[in-house]
Amino acid sequence: DTAVSQTPKYLVTQMGNDKSIKCEQNLGHDTMYWYKQDSKKFLKIMFSYNNKELIINETVPNRFSPKSPDKAHLNLHINSLELGDSAVYFCASSQTGTVHGYTFGSGTRLTVV
Amino acid sequence: SQQGEEDPQALSIQEGENATMNCSYKTSINNLQWYRQNSGRGLVHLILIRSNEREKHSGRLRVTLDTSKKSSSLLITASRAADTASYFCATDLQANQAGTALIFGKGTTLSVSS
Repeated sequence: DTAVSQTPKYLVTQMGNDKSIKCEQNLGHDTMYWYKQDSKKFLKIMFSYNNKELIINETVPNRFSPKSPDKAHLNLHINSLELGDSAVYFCASSQTGTVHGYTFGSGTRLTVV
Repeated sequence: SQQGEEDPQALSIQEGENATMNCSYKTSINNLQWYRQNSGRGLVHLILIRSNEREKHSGRLRVTLDTSKKSSSLLITASRAADTASYFCATDLQANQAGTALIFGKGTTLSVSS
């Protein structure tokens, strides 16, 4: 009964490759997010989608392309991976107008070699 | 666009002691939230305090908010080894007309030893 699930949990790939991370939430929330956490644990918002519509795109290189086929899914595709893309990527969801906070997935640890 | 700053960066205490973490932020907020992150896991929402509230309790957690100083504190009483984790404050940032997003501080790493 995982609320926000991400796959894969670990991803090791070579520079220049293209990879995708998938996220699904079963909470019925209308907003989903992607965050990047670096090696110093700093969390940075990347994207936000509300009802499949891109709301926030925070100065992320255009090699990163989010896709939301429906409001329960938000996938992240990364082209031409670089060493600096190595991080933990978290998906999260929330419901507009409530005060229950965000629900986070368990993260995808991406290592680019 | 970093909004919150936690202090201290790291805190080590003994079981049974209280742990206090502080957070400062820069701009006006609607609410402030605290999250916990266990090693290798996602963040878990702990508590939310609205901008018109000054104090809130949840179990062993006590959160205060001082909007005049743009600061908040999280107190964990009678700490346990299981409280060992990183703690983040987060504020809602109006990123644009269409939406908001939580902006997180750098976190406080709490170690509770038995």
